[in-house]
Amino acid sequence: ETGVTQTPRHLVMGMTNKKSLKCEQHLGHNAMYWYKQSAKKPLELMFVYNFKEQTENNSVPSRFSPECPNSSHLFLHLHTLQPEDSALYLCASSQDLTGGTAPSNYGYTFGSGTRLTVV
Amino acid sequence: AQTVTQSQPEMSVQEAETVTLSCTYDTSESDYYLFWYKQPPSRQMILVIRQEAYKQQNATENRFSVNFQKAAKSFSLKISDSQLGDAAMYFCAYRSAGAGNMLTFGGGTRLMVKP
Repeated sequence: ETGVTQTPRHLVMGMTNKKSLKCEQHLGHNAMYWYKQSAKKPLELMFVYNFKEQTENNSVPSRFSPECPNSSHLFLHLHTLQPEDSALYLCASSQDLTGGTAPSNYGYTFGSGTRLTVV
Repeated sequence: AQTVTQSQPEMSVQEAETVTLSCTYDTSESDYYLFWYKQPPSRQMILVIRQEAYKQQNATENRFSVNFQKAAKSFSLKISDSQLGDAAMYFCAYRSAGAGNMLTFGGGTRLMVKP
């Protein structure tokens, strides 16, 4: 257990379904991220939230909708997905570095991911 | 934009031997952080080792050490006395120290450890 919890661990959904992925951290971090990891591709950054505000949307299709109600929780709402959206979705959190001296832990902490299969 | 390149898609090493994984990056910044992450079959992305660019001394963590060559923009990972549990995907990553400071990952190297 690293401090970042993702649920569910596995998800199979049809192309017309609506589902949500959940990520939770209690590390006191103020930045949270969604990454997509497909087979034989580099990790792709999808969304960044800093202090609950979305600061990055890396040209992600609108069928992926993030939500960050507070600094500890991050959701990824899914609807009308395509089979090519099947991948491992990783959530991460970190301490934001802007504003001066780096905190002692300036890395990211990752969750175990949700393996998504779109059928 | 920064890019991170791992030129070895796969590597293998005999148990108890030493292996070095390569990583190069491209940046115009002078202040940044570099990381090696390990992703075993359990999928958890685990931080192995990290390096601040302003430090000349190479980071070490037990059997893991790095060779950081700032001028060459190279950040290789050396694993000594390899163990079966070291088998995993290894990702090199870059993080700017400035605004935004998101992690940029390399494509990964799959390490196999032979008993």
